[in-house]
Amino acid sequence: TQLLEQSPQFLSIQEGENLTVYCNSSSVFSSLQWYRQEPGEGPVLLVTVVTGGEVKKLKRLTFQFGDARKDSSLHITAAQPGDTGLYLCAGAASNYQLIWGAGTKLIIKP
Amino acid sequence: GAGVSQSPSNKVTEKGKDVELRCDPISGHTALYWYRQSLGQGLEFLIYFQGNSAPDKSGLPSDRFSAERTGGSVSTLTIQRTQQEDSAVYLCASRRDRGGSYEQYFGPGTRLTVT
Repeated sequence: TQLLEQSPQFLSIQEGENLTVYCNSSSVFSSLQWYRQEPGEGPVLLVTVVTGGEVKKLKRLTFQFGDARKDSSLHITAAQPGDTGLYLCAGAASNYQLIWGAGTKLIIKP
Repeated sequence: GAGVSQSPSNKVTEKGKDVELRCDPISGHTALYWYRQSLGQGLEFLIYFQGNSAPDKSGLPSDRFSAERTGGSVSTLTIQRTQQEDSAVYLCASRRDRGGSYEQYFGPGTRLTVT
């Protein structure tokens, strides 16, 4: 059974600080996605990483896929209140299913 | 075009009643997923429709849950004899079957409360 462990589950920091969210598995994924979900809305895709060792940047967000394609991280630089939300990682399984992490609830205090 | 829409946005029902939740996927998307999400938690897969293939029902928690997709578009998730533990947000997502993409587009969800 493929599992994705996401950590931390909850993070509350001050505006301007940096943070990293981790997504780990013992399984290899062909690709991994990061989504952000705000209250009352569905998750929205932020990025897909495909190649082992790949790094993608989206403004202040940096996403990395591990060399072995078993883990990924999301780093936010100089966090802002607008970054508040639930961050979910999801690994591509067979038959176009996604294996979902439990989510990281992020609160950025002004 | 429009994104994924779901209705109703909120549903309060009494224990033991049946409920139907509706999902309108993005036009042209052949894949449709239903998930359940408890407050602030991750997504629990329920069921997956892909084109005309038999749906993957492996995530349905009990035989009280069923779903259908008519004409390859609109989908309805039905919960019979609702229980309090069924209270959650039910999310629908669709995917465009092209180029091996796994990207899913989500609706805003239906918040179900069973009293």
